[in-house]
Amino acid sequence: DQQVKQNSPSLSVQEGRISILNCDYTNSMFDYFLWYKKYPAEGPTFLISISSIKDKNEDGRFTVFLNKSAKHLSLHIVPSQPGDSAVYFCAAIYTGRRALTFGSGTRLQVQP
Amino acid sequence: DTGVSQDPRHKITKRGQNVTFRCDPISEHNRLYWYRQTLGQGPEFLTYFQNEAQLEKSRLLSDRFSAERPKGSFSTLEIQRTEQGDSAMYLCASSFSQMMNTEAFFGQGTRLTVV
Repeated sequence: DQQVKQNSPSLSVQEGRISILNCDYTNSMFDYFLWYKKYPAEGPTFLISISSIKDKNEDGRFTVFLNKSAKHLSLHIVPSQPGDSAVYFCAAIYTGRRALTFGSGTRLQVQP
Repeated sequence: DTGVSQDPRHKITKRGQNVTFRCDPISEHNRLYWYRQTLGQGPEFLTYFQNEAQLEKSRLLSDRFSAERPKGSFSTLEIQRTEQGDSAMYLCASSFSQMMNTEAFFGQGTRLTVV
């Protein structure tokens, strides 16, 4: 039972344009959501997070949107840069449990 | 302290052999996690320590797997009688429990290949 789903395995965008990565979840208990970025041969690196009491969190070029009613979150990267090319994982957690539940990832390729 | 450190980075072993991996977390972090990642999948939770206490284990952690965190510092993950299905990237992460919902910081992982 996949509680966190990233239905797009890959995404390709042009440098300077917006990248939108999507994530859906099924467990209503999740109350905190995170995005991690992973380069080859490295561990995941934390990017940005959002609490379920918010619907938007912004950090520089990265913005995460949360739609609780739809159980959907998205990561926007504006403008996209070639260095953003990596695999992006959506993860979720709920109070009382300490383990993250990850999606399967979306490979983003930003073309120069 | 530059981050979470894992050793070795790569391990090739024959089926049936035992292997042990080490993780050194960020020094002030009291929580330590082990995850496993296979190709095309996200990391899957294996087990979690708060200080030296192992507080949660996933169903993925069969009885061939054992993890320890003596003295609440570094941790080891041992796999006995390895099988080809154990081939994966084993990731360690750490976090600080005094803040709610802080992100976990991951090491670079140990890639295990069972031949």
